Amino acid sequence: ETGVTQSPTHLIKTRGQQVTLRCSSQSGHNTVSWYQQALGQGPQFIFQYYREEENGRGNFPPRFSGLQFPNYSSELNVNALELDDSALYLCASSAPGTAFDEQYFGPGTRLTVT
Amino acid sequence: AQSVTQLDSQVPVFEEAPVELRCNYSSSVSVYLFWYVQYPNQGLQLLLKYLSGSTLVKGINGFEAEFNKSQTSFHLRKPSVHISDTAEYFCAVANYGGSQGNLIFGKGTKLSVKP
Repeated sequence: ETGVTQSPTHLIKTRGQQVTLRCSSQSGHNTVSWYQQALGQGPQFIFQYYREEENGRGNFPPRFSGLQFPNYSSELNVNALELDDSALYLCASSAPGTAFDEQYFGPGTRLTVT
Repeated sequence: AQSVTQLDSQVPVFEEAPVELRCNYSSSVSVYLFWYVQYPNQGLQLLLKYLSGSTLVKGINGFEAEFNKSQTSFHLRKPSVHISDTAEYFCAVANYGGSQGNLIFGKGTKLSVKP
């Protein structure tokens, strides 16, 4: 059974650019949640996708958007990057009806905005 | 709204000593609580969870936590730590947003185990 994978591992972008981060969920998991972890902070919920629809969103502006594909993999897109967007971005997948019981995290993508 | 407070940002301890990492929560609904561990340059790994039932929850790597409703706490304990327990630990509470829910995390406690 393959775990949650994320790509790329590291990324450096310039302020104002756009970035796409990718997440492959664990086999059988149809829900993907994205979190932002700034340096020295706990992860903060960005949004969640369930059956290809956004299903809950945290306190993040619309320039943070996402997609979920039929195979349940997901993308996080961030437009007009700001310096404060520098963080570790984590995705977590969960199986139907077990969002809290079995939420598996990927290793994260570390984004640096200069 | 739910929230989590981890009372110590850093906890230094000697190897084989006991440790307690403190977590307080705020919630107006039924509570689901979690502890996660994050090793350097890695994602989060679930240590243990409280969903219902016994208030003493046992997890992986010899950790346990006790749910105390009256004190709104969920402290993590280990009777004897190892060097390999050096990591950052996050307490989290479930948030009932959407149909699947998400997690609200504390700011983390860095456990440093010294020889």
